[in-house]
Amino acid sequence: GAVVSQHPSRVICKSGTSVKIECRSLDFQATTMFWYRQFPKQSLMLMATSNEGSKATYEQGVEKDKFLINHASLTLSTLTVTSAHPEDSSFYICSAREPLGGSTDTQYFGPGTRLTVL
Amino acid sequence: AQSVTQPDIHITVSEGASLELRCNYSYGATPYLFWYVQSPGQGLQLLLKYFSGDTLVQGIKGFEAEFKRSQSSFNLRKPSVHWSDAAEYFCAALTDSWGKLQFGAGTQVVVTP
Repeated sequence: GAVVSQHPSRVICKSGTSVKIECRSLDFQATTMFWYRQFPKQSLMLMATSNEGSKATYEQGVEKDKFLINHASLTLSTLTVTSAHPEDSSFYICSAREPLGGSTDTQYFGPGTRLTVL
Repeated sequence: AQSVTQPDIHITVSEGASLELRCNYSYGATPYLFWYVQSPGQGLQLLLKYFSGDTLVQGIKGFEAEFKRSQSSFNLRKPSVHWSDAAEYFCAALTDSWGKLQFGAGTQVVVTP
């Protein structure tokens, strides 16, 4: 199947700094990518839908000014956590939809990025 | 409200025994349903999916799932588990035309010798 990578796999930063996480579809073009957040022992919570060339659509309760999403190309989406605080510490996962015909296209998930804010 | 429920947070099963993970959904129409597995350090991997047609769906790694409209369920099964099946399993439903998924809370599977 298709491969989605994330970089970095883990990052530790100081409170107040910004962190950028990259999500890449390695062998296919993804018009739509999704960003999820997963707390320990909990499920994935969708943060935003990222469409190439347009603004991301954020889920209710997600601060768009804190979690900046850019989908500048068909193979790359980035999530920037701005002015990170300890409560932003979490596991961030992206997925990319392989466009074969519609909303039922298979989504491929990245391995996730563990963010720890000190 | 639309929801996906996995009643079992944690299941322990002996290697070689059968496994069944429960998933219930609450949607007006027939949803598109998925089962994913998450192993430590790895991304979610799709095990199988149901869109329409045959209600018994075969997936990878020897897994299968049965869609039962009358019970609003989409339970995952495997006849004989292997130690490598120890992981977190998520049931998910497609919620819109953009491809957004709603996940259940997940079930942690522990396999004992």
